[in-house]
Amino acid sequence: SQTIHQWPATLVQPVGSPLSLECTVEGTSNPNLYWYRQAAGRGLQLLFYSVGIGQISSEVPQNLSASRPQDRQFILSSKKLLLSDSGFYLCAWKGGDPPLHFGNGTRLTVT
Amino acid sequence: GEDVEQSLFLSVREGDSSVINCTYTDSSSTYLYWYKQEPGAGLQLLTYIFSNMDMKQDQRLTVLLNKKDKHLSLRIADTQTGDSAIYFCAERDYNTGKLIFGQGTTLQVKP
Repeated sequence: SQTIHQWPATLVQPVGSPLSLECTVEGTSNPNLYWYRQAAGRGLQLLFYSVGIGQISSEVPQNLSASRPQDRQFILSSKKLLLSDSGFYLCAWKGGDPPLHFGNGTRLTVT
Repeated sequence: GEDVEQSLFLSVREGDSSVINCTYTDSSSTYLYWYKQEPGAGLQLLTYIFSNMDMKQDQRLTVLLNKKDKHLSLRIADTQTGDSAIYFCAERDYNTGKLIFGQGTTLQVKP
């Protein structure tokens, strides 16, 4: 069966520090992968999606970037975090219907 | 562009029925979804409905779709304290296949 892993579960980082969040999927090949952010009290915002290795689409201009170095690995990064980057980051994969299976998320607090 | 809207908060008593409402704008949506998010966790797919259906029932859950009004609802019968969570409505963009989420409805179940 397919599973999705996200880590770390919780992260506290100072402003200006770099960020790397990792997401991996098991049990499937060539999935569509997604990064969503959920700000406090707000809904889900799609940040990036990828349909294959090295293929990244950005949905909104921001301080973050994404990379897909391997088929089942999706990484969210920043060179310098801002306070506004705080939130709950969710990775998801889509391999058919029903779509979008989510990881457990990473709670990022930028101080 | 597409937009999905939900009321932010609903409070019910244990044993009552809960009805969570959602409106969407993309008339070409093929699938509509309900996800549940428990505190600190990722999103769990609850149920979904294809756009050519009016109703779908799955145990305590009933989904009603009014395509004319672009209105989707989720009814939870005999609501339990374990149903307390945030419920997200989502539509699937016909052209890109991406999911567009509402801002989520927090369901509070009082004993």
